[in-house]
Amino acid sequence: ELKVEQNPLFLSMQEGKNYTIYCNYSTTSDRLYWYRQDPGKSLESLFVLLSNGAVKQEGRLMASLDTKARLSTLHITAAVHDLSATYFCAVLLETSGSRLTFGEGTQLTVNP
Amino acid sequence: EPEVTQTPSHQVTQMGQEVILRCVPISNHLYFYWYRQILGQKVEFLVSFYNNEISEKSEIFDDQFSVERPDGSNFTLKIRSTKLEDSAMYFCASSHAGGNQPQHFGDGTRLSIL
Repeated sequence: ELKVEQNPLFLSMQEGKNYTIYCNYSTTSDRLYWYRQDPGKSLESLFVLLSNGAVKQEGRLMASLDTKARLSTLHITAAVHDLSATYFCAVLLETSGSRLTFGEGTQLTVNP
Repeated sequence: EPEVTQTPSHQVTQMGQEVILRCVPISNHLYFYWYRQILGQKVEFLVSFYNNEISEKSEIFDDQFSVERPDGSNFTLKIRSTKLEDSAMYFCASSHAGGNQPQHFGDGTRLSIL
């Protein structure tokens, strides 16, 4: 059974600081997705990582994938309050068709 | 930008009743999904649907649940004889292709079972 673990689960940081959220998964996969969820809202697709070594950047967020280590990171640079949200990673196994298995989510709070 | 729409946004139902949650996926998408999120917990896969049939379902998706694409635009999730533990946010998602494309999620239906 695929397990997806994120850490930290809760992150409180000051504006302007950098931090990294980690997503570990238990079974070989080369497809990983990052989503953002604001309270009471839907999941917004942030990044799609489809190969080992993939790196994607959008604004202050950068995501990477290391399939050998079964690890993805979401790096936040110079955080701003608008980044406050819950961030989920989700893994897709080829053998599972198109079922996404989500991590528990990291609740990020950026304080002014 | 095209989006997945879900109705209703909030549904309150007595335990034992049947509910139908409705979704309109993005129009050129071929794959459709239902997920649920119990309050404060992670998102869980329920079922995927392609080419007018279920392509995969999770252990949560038992005989109480069914999905249907009654016409060319709607995709529904029916829950028969609801239980208290069915209370959750239910998200519909769609994607143009399989795993190489992101799944686009609707705003969800909050289902409250009394």
